[in-house]
Amino acid sequence: SQKIEQNSEALNIQEGKTATLTCNYTNYSPAYLQWYRQDPGRGPVFLLLIRENEKEKRKERLKVTFDTTLKQSLFHITASQPADSATYLCALDSSASKIIFGSGTRLSIRP
Amino acid sequence: DTAVSQTPKYLVTQMGNDKSIKCEQNLGHDTMYWYKQDSKKFLKIMFSYNNKELIINETVPNRFSPKSPDKAHLNLHINSLELGDSAVYFCASSQDWSVGEQFFGPGTRLTVL
Repeated sequence: SQKIEQNSEALNIQEGKTATLTCNYTNYSPAYLQWYRQDPGRGPVFLLLIRENEKEKRKERLKVTFDTTLKQSLFHITASQPADSATYLCALDSSASKIIFGSGTRLSIRP
Repeated sequence: DTAVSQTPKYLVTQMGNDKSIKCEQNLGHDTMYWYKQDSKKFLKIMFSYNNKELIINETVPNRFSPKSPDKAHLNLHINSLELGDSAVYFCASSQDWSVGEQFFGPGTRLTVL
């Protein structure tokens, strides 16, 4: 079965730096991969979706890459701000009508 | 306007009781989901409904019974609650069964004593 790993449970970086989060998967390549943000006590919020035929996707200060050879997606936040502090979840389609989530990376941006 | 809403937000109950969590979406989506997020923050799908039809049931104990009276509502009923059922339960919806972007509710924190 498909497995997904976010290999950093927590990441602390200085404000203004670029935060890079990693998502790795095993087995078959998903048709697409998604990134969500989750704040404490709230539900996940969709950020970006990247399809298997796309190498890179951008949205404001966010950038996602998708390498089907490495079976990896990288999520970048440039010019990070304390307000970017949250848990970021990677998700990919496991089969029809179902996506599976990684365990998340808790990002802390210190002023 | 709230896109996906759940009630209650908090639920504290004794072991062995039966409880329900309600979910409604006003996005006009065809597909709705229930997820369980445990203490380690791992988010795992439980059920998925498309146009009131069950399409995913992820080996969840049959004490959990989802009900979808219409495509805007997906309720979760839990019988004979156990300590291990304590978690945060999230409802979500998506445009259709091909998944894509999902919209999550605020979650229901269930504590079984």
